[in-house]
Amino acid sequence: QVQLQESGPGLVKPSGTLSLTCAVSGGSISSSNWWSWVRQPPGKGLEWIGEIYHSGSTNYNPSLKSRVTISVDKSKNQFSLKLSSVTAADTAVYYCAREGDTLSPNWFDPWGQGTLVTVSS
Amino acid sequence: QSVLTQPPSVSAAPGQKVTISCSGSSSNIGNNYVSWYQQLPGTAPKLLIYDNNKRPSGIPDRFSGSKSGTSATLGITGLQTGDEADYYCGTWDSSLSAFFGTGTKVTVL
Repeated sequence: QVQLQESGPGLVKPSGTLSLTCAVSGGSISSSNWWSWVRQPPGKGLEWIGEIYHSGSTNYNPSLKSRVTISVDKSKNQFSLKLSSVTAADTAVYYCAREGDTLSPNWFDPWGQGTLVTVSS
Repeated sequence: QSVLTQPPSVSAAPGQKVTISCSGSSSNIGNNYVSWYQQLPGTAPKLLIYDNNKRPSGIPDRFSGSKSGTSATLGITGLQTGDEADYYCGTWDSSLSAFFGTGTKVTVL
């Protein structure tokens, strides 16, 4: 049973960089799945941030692409998110999630519990 | 802003049925599978339906999904108080980006 756990600072200053890590347990990050970050501002809907494959290949939401970097650390079975030049609009609960495999790709399961990141001075 | 449109809310009495629509376009729903997620208050989303109409293990058959053209629908029969939640559709588009619907709040009257 794959489980995901997000970790990182809960408070980031404006113009700073948000950094989060998602630890994968119960399975290998080198499986035939992509791995994603999704965020949800308080009281609002879900927004996909981007995805990574264990090879290091990435795809990003075009609206965030200039500020986002997603990386993978196979030795630690985890992947990470960096979002630069943050503003209050980046305040959200950030989730990591596993995507479907190459035969059936278009879904997210499981999800991490989520971590709230607040951008404030 | 999402490119997938859902009704903001739907409601019905216990035991009744509700349907939630998800409207997209040929560049997203029209050419990709649709998934559905349930988000109970204060929790992470949970996969309900994938590949338009398949249920993961453990999801009761009260939940069903369908797709036609550029729209998809989630159905919930035998509505229970525990079904009160936000529901989101999701898919990919031709730019290799994933999208979620605007979300629908289900209220059990």
